[in-house]
Amino acid sequence: DQQVKQNSPSLSVQEGRISILNCDYTNSMFDYFLWYKKYPAEGPTFLISISSIKDKNEDGRFTVFLNKSAKHLSLHIVPSQPGDSAVYFCAASARGNQGGKLIFGQGTELSVKP
Amino acid sequence: DTEVTQTPKHLVMGMTNKKSLKCEQHMGHRAMYWYKQKAKKPPELMFVYSYEKLSINESVPSRFSPECPNSSLLNLHLHALQPEDSALYLCASSQEGQGISPLHFGNGTRLTVT
Repeated sequence: DQQVKQNSPSLSVQEGRISILNCDYTNSMFDYFLWYKKYPAEGPTFLISISSIKDKNEDGRFTVFLNKSAKHLSLHIVPSQPGDSAVYFCAASARGNQGGKLIFGQGTELSVKP
Repeated sequence: DTEVTQTPKHLVMGMTNKKSLKCEQHMGHRAMYWYKQKAKKPPELMFVYSYEKLSINESVPSRFSPECPNSSLLNLHLHALQPEDSALYLCASSQEGQGISPLHFGNGTRLTVT
């Protein structure tokens, strides 16, 4: 049972435009959500997180939106840059459960074209 | 540059060999992790150490043996591996538990079992 789903394996965006990566989850106990970026031959890099008490968190070009009723979160990157081309993983956990296991989605490969 | 350092970067070993993967962090993090990642897949949790004690073993075969000599070091001892164990092995650390604070990953060891 896949508790965290990224339904788009890939996304292609023009440089300067907005990239929107989506993630859905099924476990209503999840209360902490994160996005990681991964380049080939490197480990995942933490990008941004959001707690379930918020519906938006912003850090520079990156904004994460959380819609609890829809069990959906999204990562917006604006403006997109060629260096943003990577695989993006969303992850979720039930923090209230003594720091529960982090569950990763399958990843979305973003390609930003010049 | 990642603050979690893994050595070696690449490792090729036969099925009868014994080898060790090493991981080091100096961020004062109290939790350390081993993950396995296959191509185009999300990281899979193997082991969690919390305050130098093994707290989670995700039913990993005994041919993988973790060790945490101190709060900064984490090893993964390998013995009698199978070709299907070939993967990227990622070490990570976090200030608190995995579901409470972000994981910081190393760049991994690319393991090939022949």
